[in-house]
Amino acid sequence: EDQVTQSPEALRLQEGESSSLNCSYTVSGLRGLFWYRQDPGKGPEFLFTLYSAGEEKEKERLKATLTKKESFLHITAPKPEDSATYLCAVDSNTGNQFYFGTGTSLTVIP
Amino acid sequence: DAGVIQSPRHEVTEMGQEVTLRCKPISGHNSLFWYRQTMMRGLELLIYFNNNVPIDDSGMPEDRFSAKMPNASFSTLKIQPSEPRDSAVYFCASSRQGFGAGANVLTFGAGSRLTVL
Repeated sequence: EDQVTQSPEALRLQEGESSSLNCSYTVSGLRGLFWYRQDPGKGPEFLFTLYSAGEEKEKERLKATLTKKESFLHITAPKPEDSATYLCAVDSNTGNQFYFGTGTSLTVIP
Repeated sequence: DAGVIQSPRHEVTEMGQEVTLRCKPISGHNSLFWYRQTMMRGLELLIYFNNNVPIDDSGMPEDRFSAKMPNASFSTLKIQPSEPRDSAVYFCASSRQGFGAGANVLTFGAGSRLTVL
């Protein structure tokens, strides 16, 4: 069965304290791995798509990487405005598209 | 483009009542998804459509749930009769299936928060 697991569930960082969020996946055929950001009361907002192991994408303080079993979202020198829930999702070729993980709630303290 | 538009944003109803949630996808997107989000279970895919045709409704929890997409610019999710355990945020998302930049990326609406008393 296809699964997506994110860790940790919650993360509190001091402003400027870099860290990483993990997304482990088990799918029979990965077509793409997606990272989204969700702010309270809003829908998830797209950040990155990764398609193959070894691929990396960057946007401001965020960098996403992909291996054959997991993806990391690295946050460098975070700011309070980076506080949000970060979701990863996998697009599988088994038919039930876009499995989402339960997310990591990130709080960055000034 | 105004993005994916959902209505209503908030709905409070009593158990047993019919609830209809509405979604207007992004023009040019040919896939539409309905998700339900709760604290306990996160984002769950209920059903998705390709070119207005339901492809996979295995996530629809019960026969009380139904979804339609009569045309490329409109979809509804109906719950009849509603129950307290249906309380959640329901999201609609659309995407352009295919290849190239931006393909297969879900764009979400702001969600409809449903409370069933």
